[in-house]
Amino acid sequence: GAVVSQHPSRVICKSGTSVKIECRSLDFQATTMFWYRQFPKQSLMLMATSNEGSKATYEQGVEKDKFLINHASLTLSTLTVTSAHPEDSSFYICSAGAGGGTDTQYFGPGTRLTVL
Amino acid sequence: SQKIEQNSEALNIQEGKTATLTCNYTNYSPAYLQWYRQDPGRGPVFLLLIRENEKEKRKERLKVTFDTTLKQSLFHITASQPADSATYLCALRNQAGTALIFGKGTTLSVSS
Repeated sequence: GAVVSQHPSRVICKSGTSVKIECRSLDFQATTMFWYRQFPKQSLMLMATSNEGSKATYEQGVEKDKFLINHASLTLSTLTVTSAHPEDSSFYICSAGAGGGTDTQYFGPGTRLTVL
Repeated sequence: SQKIEQNSEALNIQEGKTATLTCNYTNYSPAYLQWYRQDPGRGPVFLLLIRENEKEKRKERLKVTFDTTLKQSLFHITASQPADSATYLCALRNQAGTALIFGKGTTLSVSS
């Protein structure tokens, strides 16, 4: 099946710093990638939809200036958490559609962000 | 707005029994519904997709039903094993058709 990777798998940073998370589709091209956030014992919450070559579409309540998304190529999307604060600590997961008429999404392994 | 509910947060069963998980949705008529498995600290893994015109779908020990009248899907694991212990999520495409939205999940524990 299609493989999606994320890097880093976990990151610890100080409050006020910025953190970049990469999401790559390894064996397929993804026109659209999705970024989710998951708090402990909660479900995945969609943050934004990332389209290659255009601006991301953010869900209501998600600050686009805080969570910068770049989808520069068909295999790479990045999420930058700017001026991170402890409340941004969470599990960030990206996904990509396999395309070709299938509705399945393939998820990355997630990135655990801890802001001290 | 659309709502997805997975009624049980946790389900504990004995090895060999059938696990049945429930997913209900409101304010929406999806063309299909998906089930994913998520292990702790990992991303979800796709298991099955069932379309609105399909009553039932099977894959090895997994079976999914989809009742569009009741707005409900049931997910069954037969002959359950400890390795089936995980959180199972149901997902629907949002009304705009642009992304998946997920239920909170049911954490299944299978004891030997």
